[in-house]
Amino acid sequence: SQQGEEDPQALSIQEGENATMNCSYKTSINNLQWYRQNSGRGLVHLILIRSNEREKHSGRLRVTLDTSKKSSSLLITASRAADTASYFCATVSQGGKLIFGQGTELSVKP
Amino acid sequence: DTEVTQTPKHLVMGMTNKKSLKCEQHMGHRAMYWYKQKAKKPPELMFVYSYEKLSINESVPSRFSPECPNSSLLNLHLHALQPEDSALYLCASSRPGQGGRELFFGEGSRLTVL
Repeated sequence: SQQGEEDPQALSIQEGENATMNCSYKTSINNLQWYRQNSGRGLVHLILIRSNEREKHSGRLRVTLDTSKKSSSLLITASRAADTASYFCATVSQGGKLIFGQGTELSVKP
Repeated sequence: DTEVTQTPKHLVMGMTNKKSLKCEQHMGHRAMYWYKQKAKKPPELMFVYSYEKLSINESVPSRFSPECPNSSLLNLHLHALQPEDSALYLCASSRPGQGGRELFFGEGSRLTVL
């Protein structure tokens, strides 16, 4: 697979805590995207970070990108039960295809 | 609420049936996608249409036949499927172009092949 791994595969935290998910990839990228998927539902785009950016914020989300290490992280601060979902990073291949990582399953307990 | 509408939400079919999945968007997007997702796995790209033309086919078996009748509609025709084809089928759309665009997904069609 051209896409790397996400870790952890599963993460369980208490409401109010921060959640950090990591994504590694193998090829050079133009941008990296993060998506959320509630169980059995469609994916929702969260944030896009370009290859020339190192950090980006959106509400309680903070994404970092380290192109030298081919890795990205997604931080969700002050988590809520409603944040319970699977989170996927995605990168675009040279052929223009959006390829998803394996995902992190986040469980936030009230 | 998603702006990409997929029907039906659930479909059960036998291996000899012919059925179709439908997807519609009215965001003016000119790129549309079909992804297949098995439980606890990431979505896997099947097909990409750009300006109503098939631009990517990820070596999908011919029992899956995509169709893009116009810029708002995308169909996936199903024939002689196998039980292992049971999955969530996701449609998505985006503005076309290089460099990767944000994808807008529908809620998916859950397919069960008996």
